[in-house]
Amino acid sequence: GAGVSQSPSNKVTEKGKDVELRCDPISGHTALYWYRQRLGQGLEFLIYFQGNSAPDKSGLPSDRFSAERTGESVSTLTIQRTQQEDSAVYLCASSLTGHYNEQFFGPGTRLTVL
Amino acid sequence: RKEVEQDPGPFNVPEGATVAFNCTYSNSASQSFFWYRQDCRKEPKLLMSVYSSGNEDGRFTAQLNRASQYISLLIRDSKLSDSATYLCVVRRNAGNMLTFGGGTRLMVKP
Repeated sequence: GAGVSQSPSNKVTEKGKDVELRCDPISGHTALYWYRQRLGQGLEFLIYFQGNSAPDKSGLPSDRFSAERTGESVSTLTIQRTQQEDSAVYLCASSLTGHYNEQFFGPGTRLTVL
Repeated sequence: RKEVEQDPGPFNVPEGATVAFNCTYSNSASQSFFWYRQDCRKEPKLLMSVYSSGNEDGRFTAQLNRASQYISLLIRDSKLSDSATYLCVVRRNAGNMLTFGGGTRLMVKP
């Protein structure tokens, strides 16, 4: 079946512009997660959705970052006034509800801020 | 101190070798443990969960030592296709957030 999809796969933007990244989770997965991976580093947790609500936003690095999810499906991560340090791969994952359910990752969006 | 620490490597080993990776975690509230594999420029994929009693999946053996807050992964009879970055991952009881280590890079040479 279809896995997690993300778009765009690559995004190059100029410093100060806003960007919107999209994630389509696996159908039926109620939990959705956003992570960031800088070059050569591990993944940093950004935000977690259970259904359409976000019980854990603790990883969002600043108020320039926001995310929403609608219809217990698609999620968008928005970065306003992008900075060069925002350059990274943004990974989305989804899972069934439940403590031990595997998170399946999408291919990521590679964001480059010039 | 990072919550999950790993030796970044790289570990360069010949085909057929046995290689072991270690990982330490700092949060004693961590409840679930995993090894993920990440190929270059690809997304992470679950390799195996780590259970308290230790578990094996083919050539891969994972062990957990809660007292020392230490997790290990052993790969026997390394294949060229095992070349990747191995990510140690923990999940706390509260919430579903995964915390990733920085990864250990393995390169298996012919």
